[in-house]
Amino acid sequence: QKEVEQNSGPLSVPEGAIASLNCTYSDRGSQSFFWYRQYSGKSPELIMFIYSNGDKEDGRFTAQLNKASQYVSLLIRDSQPSDSATYLCAVNMNTDKLIFGTGTRLQVFP
Amino acid sequence: DAGVTQSPTHLIKTRGQHVTLRCSPISGHKSVSWYQQVLGQGPQFIFQYYEKEERGRGNFPDRFSARQFPNYSSELNVNALLLGDSALYLCASSPGTVISGYTFGSGTRLTVV
Repeated sequence: QKEVEQNSGPLSVPEGAIASLNCTYSDRGSQSFFWYRQYSGKSPELIMFIYSNGDKEDGRFTAQLNKASQYVSLLIRDSQPSDSATYLCAVNMNTDKLIFGTGTRLQVFP
Repeated sequence: DAGVTQSPTHLIKTRGQHVTLRCSPISGHKSVSWYQQVLGQGPQFIFQYYEKEERGRGNFPDRFSARQFPNYSSELNVNALLLGDSALYLCASSPGTVISGYTFGSGTRLTVV
């Protein structure tokens, strides 16, 4: 079992819709969780991080964490074509390193 | 303020050669980490340095080494390059621990031929 799992996609959503990206992790001791966006040929850019169970909102983005079920998700409201990118889930397992999933490719079509 | 800067941006090397990649963290950041990202995969942890000391090492062979300098900049060295070392090498910095996430540089694209 991989430490951090994501569906590779592509996830295709129409412009204006809600995109839902999911991630599961294996280590119950994981403490903090991150979502990065990576455009093709570019480096990852931090979107959000979350530590506590529940929802955390930042603009059009909402991160959701459920430690009991070991999943974290990212919702993107009012999706725009400029949101088309690969979204990487990363988990900190009580060390200073991040374990990344393979990423989910999101395509937002007009 | 400058972000995380990496040099060079692109590099082509021949199998068996050695390469040095450089990274300058965001001003005030004392932690530098190195990640390798192969096409189609997520970044894989290589090293982390904090206050010039190695804090973590990923599952990479001894051909990979790194160090952090007194000004908190860092070098990643790879010896005896293999074709499989071709990847995007990312440097990330943070003020201290990873609690609020890392900021990545633009990366060095290494191609081994």
